[in-house]
Amino acid sequence: EAQVTQNPRYLITVTGKKLTVTCSQNMNHEYMSWYRQDPGLGLRQIYYSMNVEVTDKGDVPEGYKVSRKEKRNFPLILESPSPNQTSLYFCASSSTNNYGYTFGSGTRLTVV
Amino acid sequence: AQSVAQPEDQVNVAEGNPLTVKCTYSVSGNPYLFWYVQYPNRGLQFLLKYITGDNLVKGSYGFEAEFNKSQTSFHLKKPSALVSDSALYFCAVYRDYGGSQGNLIFGKGTKLSVKP
Repeated sequence: EAQVTQNPRYLITVTGKKLTVTCSQNMNHEYMSWYRQDPGLGLRQIYYSMNVEVTDKGDVPEGYKVSRKEKRNFPLILESPSPNQTSLYFCASSSTNNYGYTFGSGTRLTVV
Repeated sequence: AQSVAQPEDQVNVAEGNPLTVKCTYSVSGNPYLFWYVQYPNRGLQFLLKYITGDNLVKGSYGFEAEFNKSQTSFHLKKPSALVSDSALYFCAVYRDYGGSQGNLIFGKGTKLSVKP
């Protein structure tokens, strides 16, 4: 089944403790992206990647890092999480010439 | 700058009645427009898109959307609402950076509630 898989689904952590949210897609998509969803703000893009080793900032990149060493994986790294990063995070992928995204099921992160 | 606006935070409809979820856009050039749906505790699912061609676009689950260039709108519609249509709906526009690069910009979402 074609899908985008995120892990974990739920995560509670403490301020300052580094964490990684994994994202993997099995569709051989070139494009991958991370969004955060907050009430009243919709989805805002954090980072995106056009292909392996090609990443760029989205609209809200502060406090996040990403890497794209393999085509299928696009992990989101929070080096020093803070409470304002408490949010619902989504990974998405698409082929370059298809503007529709496939989304993962989401990761609900709470930073205390 | 490209953007989309969803003017209603919530839309309430009785089952069997037609529904409309509104979206307006602001883009330079030709717009690429999308609708996604999010059910509770789920990721976003693609409903339909307008790239070019007919102004009336048909999508999944009986939904359709009408592209109106003069009103810069892309409203989502369904002739007869179901309780199972209750969800959060997002309109999105593709922001083109050039050179095959770009990303989707989402509206803030509209919660659709369909009552029996």
